[in-house]
Amino acid sequence: GQNIDQPTEMTATEGAIVQINCTYQTSGFNGLFWYQQHAGEAPTFLSYNVLDGLEEKGRFSSFLSRSKGYSYLLLKELQMKDSASYLCAVRDEDYQLIWGAGTKLIIKP
Amino acid sequence: SQTIHQWPATLVQPVGSPLSLECTVEGTSNPNLYWYRQAAGRGLQLLFYSVGIGQISSEVPQNLSASRPQDRQFILSSKKLLLSDSGFYLCAWSTGTGDHYEQYFGPGTRLTVT
Repeated sequence: GQNIDQPTEMTATEGAIVQINCTYQTSGFNGLFWYQQHAGEAPTFLSYNVLDGLEEKGRFSSFLSRSKGYSYLLLKELQMKDSASYLCAVRDEDYQLIWGAGTKLIIKP
Repeated sequence: SQTIHQWPATLVQPVGSPLSLECTVEGTSNPNLYWYRQAAGRGLQLLFYSVGIGQISSEVPQNLSASRPQDRQFILSSKKLLLSDSGFYLCAWSTGTGDHYEQYFGPGTRLTVT
């Protein structure tokens, strides 16, 4: 079967750095996405990786290792507004997105 | 720029009643359209997707149905709601071309079946 694993919840301190991991087992691979979802709101697109390596976008970076079936989202200089759930999704061989359950990130002052 | 609308924002319906949720997209043509459901504290469950007018693919057998009467309109329906249909319903669109195919979500409808 297809599976996406993420930690359920993480806590970090304002101004610090946090790394959210995602491991996947899917039938085929056509890219990995990270989305941010604030409570009660719709997910918003953060990043996309299809090749191995690091993609940087401001305070957020996403890393992919296809051979290990592994990705992480790195958030630097954490702000209170970064408190949200972070969803990892993998596009499979049929170009459908398989979604993880999300990681709830709690930022403490 | 592209915009996606969903309504209503919240809905409380009794068990056994019908359901109709509507989603429209502006600023793009021939989008791929998706209906997802998200239970509390859970990931997104793909319900239906459509690559064109009248073309609907169902991912999960259930008492819901979807229709795409126009290019940028996607409707989710049920004839008789169940308690288990409660959840956060999200419509999303993506382009049919390009490398990323990232999906963009509407604001969602929170459905409570009582």
